[in-house]
Amino acid sequence: DTGVSQNPRHKITKRGQNVTFRCDPISEHNRLYWYRQTLGQGPEFLTYFQNEAQLEKSRLLSDRFSAERPKGSFSTLEIQRTEQGDSAMYLCASTPGLSPPDTQYFGPGTRLTVL
Amino acid sequence: TQLLEQSPQFLSIQEGENLTVYCNSSSVFSSLQWYRQEPGEGPVLLVTVVTGGEVKKLKRLTFQFGDARKDSSLHITAAQPGDTGLYLCAGVWGTYKYIFGTGTRLKVLA
Repeated sequence: DTGVSQNPRHKITKRGQNVTFRCDPISEHNRLYWYRQTLGQGPEFLTYFQNEAQLEKSRLLSDRFSAERPKGSFSTLEIQRTEQGDSAMYLCASTPGLSPPDTQYFGPGTRLTVL
Repeated sequence: TQLLEQSPQFLSIQEGENLTVYCNSSSVFSSLQWYRQEPGEGPVLLVTVVTGGEVKKLKRLTFQFGDARKDSSLHITAAQPGDTGLYLCAGVWGTYKYIFGTGTRLKVLA
């Protein structure tokens, strides 16, 4: 399977704990996005990488959120001191970065529940 | 803050009926995409429209981009239960920024 993969698929944690999610994009896709989606709503942009460089971060993202993409391959999204309001689906997408408009290929998401 | 408003938010119809979903914004986009998302999965691209006034057809689905590139519509003819899902429009800004709409949840009853 050469699609976008995300791990874990589900995460249940207690308020105040730290969590880390991983995204493996399609090989050779140089653009990677993280989104947050709440039930029945559209995905909200969180951050964007071109290769290993984080080029944009949403103002919605507090300092408790951090994302990395070392070596321009997989990416991790960490949430520190989780709050109940962080409960959502976290989606990762990658694009080949060719002539716009690109097609975004999404992973299945990581569903986070903060108790 | 969502810049793209979709209507209706929910739609439940009988198999064989027609429907239209609207995606509206006050912003101009370089292009607009429509995605469909099923439970437990990520969105999957259906179509991209680029030119103002452009119409694209995908089997029973017809997509239109507004002349001013601020709005779009999706029309489904003779809906089938397999069309059930969350339909999302996404405006593209520049070369890499995607803004998703609020979503329309469609249920087609057999």
